[in-house]
Amino acid sequence: GAVVSQHPSWVICKSGTSVKIECRSLDFQATTMFWYRQFPKQSLMLMATSNEGSKATYEQGVEKDKFLINHASLTLSTLTVTSAHPEDSSFYICSARDDNYGYTFGSGTRLTVV
Amino acid sequence: QQQVKQSPQSLIVQKGGISIINCAYENTAFDYFPWYQQFPGKGPALLIAIRPDVSEKKEGRFTISFNKSAKQFSLHIMDSQPGDSATYFCAASMKVAGTALIFGKGTTLSVSS
Repeated sequence: GAVVSQHPSWVICKSGTSVKIECRSLDFQATTMFWYRQFPKQSLMLMATSNEGSKATYEQGVEKDKFLINHASLTLSTLTVTSAHPEDSSFYICSARDDNYGYTFGSGTRLTVV
Repeated sequence: QQQVKQSPQSLIVQKGGISIINCAYENTAFDYFPWYQQFPGKGPALLIAIRPDVSEKKEGRFTISFNKSAKQFSLHIMDSQPGDSATYFCAASMKVAGTALIFGKGTTLSVSS
C-alpha cells in the first residue's frame, strides 16, 4: 500500500530557531500533500495544502511566513517552522493522496520548543 | 463552522461488546467518508472508508453504516478488544482534486478487560 515517511519523529529546539520537517511519499507520486497540526487530546487541524511546483494554500489563521511549505517534487514536501516559540510546540502530521484517491498519513513529528 | 460533528467524545466498552461512534456532516458535496484510528504519538491509520453510493461496508470487526438522507455515518466495532483502545476520528472529503480531509473531534475508546 501507499506509504508516507515523515522525519524527524521528534525534535526539540530552542526558542527563536527554525525546524524543518520532511514528508516523503515512498511508493507513489503525490501531487498534493497536506499538513496538519494536532494539540494534545484534540483533533487534526488542517494547516495548509501543498501542491507540487506551486505555492501552498494556507488555512485561515495559519501564518504563512512562520510555517513555510515547499513541495519541490512529486514525492517530497517540507514544513519549516521559522522562529519557533513554545506555543508552536505540537504534533505535526503530513498526508498525501495516492492514486486510488485515498489519503495516507505520515507518523507525525512531535515538536517541542524550549 | 464545524463540518463534521462526532460523538461521543469518549466511550468505555467492556471486552466483547460493541463500540458505536457517530458522525454527522453538513456539506452535501462530501463523497468520501473514512474512519481513522490513532494511538498516542502516532499518525492516524485508515480503518475503513465508504462512498455515498452504499449504505454499509464491513471489514472484519469494523462496519460503517451510512445514511445519506440524514447526512450521518457511524462506525461499529464488534467484539471490542483491549487493543482497540485508541482515539477514533471520522473524516470527510470531496472528490475534487486537491481537497483535504476534514476531521471530526475524535472519540477516545477504552475497552476494559
